[in-house]
Amino acid sequence: AQRVTQPEKLLSVFKGAPVELKCNYSYSGSPELFWYVQYSRQRLQLLLRHISRESIKGFTADLNKGETSFHLKKPFAQEEDSAMYYCALSVRTSGSRLTFGEGTQLTVNP
Amino acid sequence: EPEVTQTPSHQVTQMGQEVILRCVPISNHLYFYWYRQILGQKVEFLVSFYNNEISEKSEIFDDQFSVERPDGSNFTLKIRSTKLEDSAMYFCASSEGTSGGYRGLDTQYFGPGTRLTVL
Repeated sequence: AQRVTQPEKLLSVFKGAPVELKCNYSYSGSPELFWYVQYSRQRLQLLLRHISRESIKGFTADLNKGETSFHLKKPFAQEEDSAMYYCALSVRTSGSRLTFGEGTQLTVNP
Repeated sequence: EPEVTQTPSHQVTQMGQEVILRCVPISNHLYFYWYRQILGQKVEFLVSFYNNEISEKSEIFDDQFSVERPDGSNFTLKIRSTKLEDSAMYFCASSEGTSGGYRGLDTQYFGPGTRLTVL
């Protein structure tokens, strides 16, 4: 069965500092990886997915199959980045279910 | 921009009672999902629904749970006899189903959630 692990429940950085939110997964095949974000009092929304290879709001994430990781990075954090970030995975054989990690609460201090 | 809506935002019920959580997916979406998040825990998949039938369900989705699309817009989750451990935030999501038939590539759009409290 697939599993997603986000080792940091809380992460606090200062504005302008680099930030990296860690995500590791376990799945023997080729998964699809996503980052979802939940801003305060808002709904879960997709931030980015590995297949798109895009940068959203300055965030990027690279799928490293050797390390089974999909860490989320941003070179210069902004206060408005403060939110809960969830890494999620889906696999072709199980259709469409998303398997989520525990989430990391990012706080960007002024 | 169209959004998934859920009602009620908060539901309080007594143990053993039936509850129905309601969702209105985005209108042109074909796939519908329920997830739940117990306080302090992960978001967990419950069930996915397509073409008026369940396409996948998790181990959590036992006989106490059922889903239905009673009309062209609503998608409901029914819990027949609630237990204390059913207390959680329940999220509905929908996706278009246009990623070459592989739904795992679809973006799932989430509703704001219904907080269910079982006393």
